[in-house]
Amino acid sequence: AQSVSQHNHHVILSEAASLELGCNYSYGGTVNLFWYVQYPGQHLQLLLKYFSGDPLVKGIKGFEAEFIKSKFSFNLRKPSVQWSDTAEYFCAVNGRGSTLGRLYFGRGTQLTVWP
Amino acid sequence: NAGVTQTPKFQVLKTGQSMTLQCAQDMNHNSMYWYRQDPGMGLRLIYYSASEGTTDKGEVPNGYNVSRLNKREFSLRLESAAPSQTSVYFCASSEASGRRETQYFGPGTRLLVL
Repeated sequence: AQSVSQHNHHVILSEAASLELGCNYSYGGTVNLFWYVQYPGQHLQLLLKYFSGDPLVKGIKGFEAEFIKSKFSFNLRKPSVQWSDTAEYFCAVNGRGSTLGRLYFGRGTQLTVWP
Repeated sequence: NAGVTQTPKFQVLKTGQSMTLQCAQDMNHNSMYWYRQDPGMGLRLIYYSASEGTTDKGEVPNGYNVSRLNKREFSLRLESAAPSQTSVYFCASSEASGRRETQYFGPGTRLLVL
């Protein structure tokens, strides 16, 4: 079965600090990878996605993620966070050999940015 | 283009009551999903529908039923609500275009079962 691990449950940063959120997955085959963001009281929004090609993926609001196949990882990064980045971040995986649509989510990382 | 819409936004039920959560999408997507979100648990798939007329169980289907009414609408029913079903429920849809599928989420329904 597929699973996703997000090792950081709560990250607290000051504005302008750099961010890296870890995501590891377990699945033996080819995967689609996603990061979603959930701002307080809002629904999940797609931040970025990886299907194939360049393992460094750029998303909205200055976020990027790097797929490292050998490490089964898809870490999210941002060089300089802002107060408005305070939100919960979810990593998700869909194994292409599995039933279509079976997205597996990590438990989420709450990011708090202090001004 | 509203995307994915859900009704109601909030609901309080007593144990044993029933209710139906409604979801609709206007993106002409084939696949639709119901998730529940609990603190520290991420999102867990309850049921999904790969296409109109088909539904399948997800990770946590017990206590729920679903209906894919047509291509646009996918409802989730709680026949006899229990406090363990207190959660935030999200509906999602996707085009399901083979290997490159992205799910888009609705605003959620917050359900409290007393």
